[in-house]
Amino acid sequence: DIQMTQSPASLSASVGETVTITCRASGNIHNYLAWYQQKQGKSPQLLVYNAKTLADGVPSRFSGSGSGTQYSLKINSLQPEDFGSYYCQHFWSTPRTFGGGTKLEIK
Amino acid sequence: QIQLVQSGPELKKPGETVKISCKASGYTFTNYGMNWVKQAPGKGLKWMGWINTYTGEPTYADDFKGRFAFSLETSASTAYLQINNLKNEDTATYFCARDDYDGEFAYWGQGTLVTVSA
Repeated sequence: DIQMTQSPASLSASVGETVTITCRASGNIHNYLAWYQQKQGKSPQLLVYNAKTLADGVPSRFSGSGSGTQYSLKINSLQPEDFGSYYCQHFWSTPRTFGGGTKLEIK
Repeated sequence: QIQLVQSGPELKKPGETVKISCKASGYTFTNYGMNWVKQAPGKGLKWMGWINTYTGEPTYADDFKGRFAFSLETSASTAYLQINNLKNEDTATYFCARDDYDGEFAYWGQGTLVTVSA
């Protein structure tokens, strides 16, 4: 089974800053990676799939990159509405494991 | 528009059974697989498995083999998650999520909170 290690577990940043969240897979997942945002009490929302393709309606300040076992989500010019939790997930094989999550707080 | 609408919150006692529904609309139900995801209070997301909506074949993650069952009512475009012999640690919000073209989850239900308490 492929494990997903996500870091950091939490971070605090100011509006306008740039933040990066990373995910490391225990094996090659061939860019079959998605990023989700979840706000408190809500369902997760797809941000990025296939490592770098933005989902419909996602602002261009979000970007995904990476390959092989190392992936990252970058948020440029942080906005107040970007607070919440972020999760990576691979879908190369089953089980389609999620990373442990990153809680982003806005300073 | 594509929607996944789940059944309402449940309060159950240990040892009881719960069955959660996820009704799909806005697309051909049998064209896309359906996944189930668990989120315990204050915790992260955990993939439970998925069901092939065309064949009805379920696949369970290791932690969800035995007491958990995925099923379908294709004529009603509805997927079900049944949990038998409920335990306190089953207290969580359960989400259904539809496979998209490459396997990512573009559509999610609103979640169903299951509380297990004596």
